[in-house]
Amino acid sequence: QVQLQQSGPGLVKPSQTLSLTCAISGDSVSSNSAAWNWIRQSPSRGLEWLGRTSYRSKWYNVYAVSVKSRITINADTSKNQFSLQLNSVTPEDTAVYYCARVYYGGNAINWFDPWGQGTLVTVSS
Amino acid sequence: DIQMTQSPSSLSASVGDRVTITCRASQSISSYLNWYQQKPGKAPNLLIYAASSLQSGVPSRFSGSGSGTDFTLTISSLQPEDFATYYCQQSYSTAMYTFGQGTKLEIK
Repeated sequence: QVQLQQSGPGLVKPSQTLSLTCAISGDSVSSNSAAWNWIRQSPSRGLEWLGRTSYRSKWYNVYAVSVKSRITINADTSKNQFSLQLNSVTPEDTAVYYCARVYYGGNAINWFDPWGQGTLVTVSS
Repeated sequence: DIQMTQSPSSLSASVGDRVTITCRASQSISSYLNWYQQKPGKAPNLLIYAASSLQSGVPSRFSGSGSGTDFTLTISSLQPEDFATYYCQQSYSTAMYTFGQGTKLEIK
């Protein structure tokens, strides 16, 4: 059974960097049939996909246009985990952040499962 | 981006009722549509993938249908544990996944 365990601070000051980590058990961050994603949820924006990292002979990252200039997602194969860094945060970045695996079935079918437990990150001084 | 629109935004129903939630995509997404259930304080949980395939462990009272732009999630007989918020999500455009705004299912 695949499980994702998130960690990271719940309070970040404006203009600073939000950093979260997602530890994977039951699967590999280097899996060729998965991708590792960050998603956030807020009352104003709903569920918003932020980006993913995946390994297909080399590492590929894809980011949402809305955060592309501020986001970095990295994989750490030695710890079997991946991380999110979001720079220059503002109060609008206040949200519950989730990590999630995309699993690829046949015919390009794909879905988010499982999800991490979520981390409420508040951007405030 | 592909916009996903759910209706209704909220719904009141009773235990035993049959309930249908609709999701419409702004362009054709074939069958690349997933449904999730979210309870307060918890992460979304996958119910249906590829429009109509039931995720392992999900009760058979849940079903999904549709293709192209119009999709439905049906709960055949509501149970107390089904009162939650439901989201659709398109997986057609993997460069920009998008979700519906959610349908909150409440007890009448």
